[in-house]
Amino acid sequence: QKEVEQDPGPLSVPEGAIVSLNCTYSNSAFQYFMWYRQYSRKGPELLMYTYSSGNKEDGRFTAQVDKSSKYISLFIRDSQPSDSATYLCATLNQAGTALIFGKGTTLSVSS
Amino acid sequence: GAVVSQHPSRVICKSGTSVKIECRSLDFQATTMFWYRQFPKQSLMLMATSNEGSKATYEQGVEKDKFLINHASLTLSTLTVTSAHPEDSSFYICSAHAGPNEQYFGPGTRLTVT
Repeated sequence: QKEVEQDPGPLSVPEGAIVSLNCTYSNSAFQYFMWYRQYSRKGPELLMYTYSSGNKEDGRFTAQVDKSSKYISLFIRDSQPSDSATYLCATLNQAGTALIFGKGTTLSVSS
Repeated sequence: GAVVSQHPSRVICKSGTSVKIECRSLDFQATTMFWYRQFPKQSLMLMATSNEGSKATYEQGVEKDKFLINHASLTLSTLTVTSAHPEDSSFYICSAHAGPNEQYFGPGTRLTVT
């Protein structure tokens, strides 16, 4: 089992829709969880990070971690065409030294 | 956020030649930088951790003699792909550790080996 699993999609939604992106992870010792956005042929940019369980909100984006089920989510409200990108979930390894990425979910928001 | 640059952004080289990719942290010092490789429609795979002033730590399956890493200063790490082969063609991305839980990524280098 891979340490971080993420459905690659693609996911297509109309503008204004609520988007739900999800990942699961295998190691209950992981504590830090991140979401990155990657546009085509660019490096990833950090969207949000959360520690342990709970929710974190930033504008239209909400990150959620459920440690009991080892499930992490990113919700995008009022999605825009500019949100079209690949979204990667990641966690920090136990040593706190390196990121472990999911495969990324490709999102397309149509106007 | 902090800025990380990579050079070149794109390189095409012939099989058997070597290619050097630079990663710079522009507005902060990074004692640790990371090198990732990303194949099409795949996730980023960590290749190695580069620590300023010491030898890099390579992930399992990554040949340290083929992928030479030098972290000569607090703002510069280089990755040299030696004796490149077509299967080395990939998107190489570096990141720099800016603080607790803060890693900033460069824009990536697209390597094509013909």
